[in-house]
Amino acid sequence: DTAVSQTPKYLVTQMGNDKSIKCEQNLGHDTMYWYKQDSKKFLKIMFSYNNKELIINETVPNRFSPKSPDKAHLNLHINSLELGDSAVYFCASSPTGTYYEQYFGPGTRLTVT
Amino acid sequence: AQKVTQAQTEISVVEKEDVTLDCVYETRDTTYYLFWYKQPPSGELVFLIRRNSFDEQNEISGRYSWNFQKSTSSFNFTITASQVVDSAVYFCALSETGFQKLVFGTGTRLLVSP
Repeated sequence: DTAVSQTPKYLVTQMGNDKSIKCEQNLGHDTMYWYKQDSKKFLKIMFSYNNKELIINETVPNRFSPKSPDKAHLNLHINSLELGDSAVYFCASSPTGTYYEQYFGPGTRLTVT
Repeated sequence: AQKVTQAQTEISVVEKEDVTLDCVYETRDTTYYLFWYKQPPSGELVFLIRRNSFDEQNEISGRYSWNFQKSTSSFNFTITASQVVDSAVYFCALSETGFQKLVFGTGTRLLVSP
C-alpha cells in the first residue's frame, strides 16, 4: 500500500501552460504539505494544509494554487508555467504537530521548456 | 530565524569506512525538533530519525548513530562501516513549535565506493 502517492511522476510542458499535480495519502494524517526541490537539491516548503485549511504559504507566487478537497488529498495547480518552475515537487503528510516526522510522496519532476 | 547548515557538500568514502555528516542549526525557540532524511538515487525521501530539543541522549540504530549537542547546536549523523547502499543525499531538518513545516539544510551527498 502506497502511503503518499503523487501523479504524475513526470511532467514535461511548455512555458505558459497550466498544469496540476495530485497528491493523496492513506495514512489518516491531518496535515499535508508541498515542498519544492530545485536543481541543487535544495528543499523548501511551499504550503501546509491542516484539515483542508491553509496554514502556511511560504511566499509562493500566486500562479501556484493548492487545493485540498478533503484531508486525504492536496493538489497543486500551476498557472502560466515559467522555466524557473522546473523542479521536483514533493507532497508530504503528517499528524498535526511539529513533533511528527513527515512522510513524503515519490515526487513529481516538472520540466518546463 | 530558523536555519540549518550542512557544510559538507559531498563526502566520498570507501566501503567499511566510518563517516560523520555534520548538521548545525539555528533557532530562537526552546522547543524544537530535529530530523534526518535520506534521499537515495531513486529520489524518494526516507525518514531516519527525530529528536526533540529536550532529549540530548545519543541514539544508535544498527550502523547509524546520532549525536545531539545543544551547546554547539549540532545534530551529527555517523554511519559506521559504510556500505555502497548508503550512497545518497542526506538532509538534516528542523521544525519549531507552532510552525507546521520542516526547514531543511542543503544536504550532504555521500558516495560510498566498493
